[in-house]
Amino acid sequence: AQSVTQLDSHVSVSEGTPVLLRCNYSSSYSPSLFWYVQHPNKGLQLLLKYTSAATLVKGINGFEAEFKKSETSFHLTKPSAHMSDAAEYFCVVSGMLQGGATNKLIFGTGTLLAVQP
Amino acid sequence: GAVVSQHPSRVICKSGTSVKIECRSLDFQATTMFWYRQFPKQSLMLMATSNEGSKATYEQGVEKDKFLINHASLTLSTLTVTSAHPEDSSFYICSASLPTGDEQYFGPGTRLTVT
Repeated sequence: AQSVTQLDSHVSVSEGTPVLLRCNYSSSYSPSLFWYVQHPNKGLQLLLKYTSAATLVKGINGFEAEFKKSETSFHLTKPSAHMSDAAEYFCVVSGMLQGGATNKLIFGTGTLLAVQP
Repeated sequence: GAVVSQHPSRVICKSGTSVKIECRSLDFQATTMFWYRQFPKQSLMLMATSNEGSKATYEQGVEKDKFLINHASLTLSTLTVTSAHPEDSSFYICSASLPTGDEQYFGPGTRLTVT
């Protein structure tokens, strides 16, 4: 079975400082991993995804994540936080639907990022 | 590309009435659509998966007679909350995927409030 664990429910950083949002996954096969962002009362926007190509994945808005199989991690980083980055971030792994087809997304519990001026 | 819309964005209804939420893929054909529910300050919980022209597959614990899902075409899925009660108040989000990939494209969500 697939699962993800987001280690921090809340992260607070100052504007201009680095962001690190941690995610560990569990999967019985080579997974697809995603990071989504959700602003208040909005839907989800895909930041980036890993699908067994390059282990360092670059996404939108300056975010990137590194897939580390040995550590079963997929942490999200950004060198310099912006006020507009304040939102909820979800680490997601793809899993199995009934019948053995892939495509079910399993969400972590989310990390709320606050950016202080 | 890959835009998903939801309608309405916000709805308030009285207890005992039914509410229909539409999910549309605007610029692609979605063979599979998903319905999620999100409680305040919590993660998304998958409610059901629907494939065009077939019955939806519900996750464990989701009442199929209460949350009716219809996926009549490759661009439209609807979720009807029947006999709504205050505990059904939540943020409902749909998503759609292409047949070739495991990426899902999410709608903006529908805020349901049952009074």
